[in-house]
Amino acid sequence: KAGVTQTPRYLIKTRGQQVTLSCSPISGHRSVSWYQQTPGQGLQFLFEYFSETQRNKGNFPGRFSGRQFSNSRSEMNVSTLELGDSALYLCASSLDGQVPYNEQFFGPGTRLTVL
Amino acid sequence: AQSVTQPDIHITVSEGASLELRCNYSYGATPYLFWYVQSPGQGLQLLLKYFSGDTLVQGIKGFEAEFKRSQSSFNLRKPSVHWSDAAEYFCAVGALANILTGGGNKLTFGTGTQLKVEL
Repeated sequence: KAGVTQTPRYLIKTRGQQVTLSCSPISGHRSVSWYQQTPGQGLQFLFEYFSETQRNKGNFPGRFSGRQFSNSRSEMNVSTLELGDSALYLCASSLDGQVPYNEQFFGPGTRLTVL
Repeated sequence: AQSVTQPDIHITVSEGASLELRCNYSYGATPYLFWYVQSPGQGLQLLLKYFSGDTLVQGIKGFEAEFKRSQSSFNLRKPSVHWSDAAEYFCAVGALANILTGGGNKLTFGTGTQLKVEL
């Protein structure tokens, strides 16, 4: 079974631009979560999508948004990029977000550099 | 709100030596606890998890962890470290969101422990 895939793997943008990252979950997984990893803040939860609906949200500004499609694939968008948005963005999928807690499987990440 | 503390930012051990990475969590209910490993430029790989039951859990690559509720700890151990174990290790707690508000889950991570293995 294929793992979580993320595209692109590397991205360079300039301040003020917007960017869209894509995540394809493991087949059969319906929950997709996004995390931001930076040296200063570590790993922080962005949001979770399940059945095309955002179900959980972390403490990030509205410039960060996402969506999920009917095939469970997810995209996240960052508008008006700032230098501080440079990070590794990790996507994780799980079967379902309900009890019992389902473990999350992570993709390799998208490395975003904002110049 | 849940939180995770990994007090050791860097740890260096000799190959063949034993290893213990510390993790303390704060969570009001029964925690779901995880250890992940991340090699440079890679995503996170799950080493082991604790949901309930036996407090000593076995994981991949010879790792184990022990859940101690009284100490709010979930320390990772390995009896004999290999050079390939050099990586960054993250402890995480899973919070099951309130079912009444939609459910779902998220992970809260510690700041990580960078492991260096000396040959």
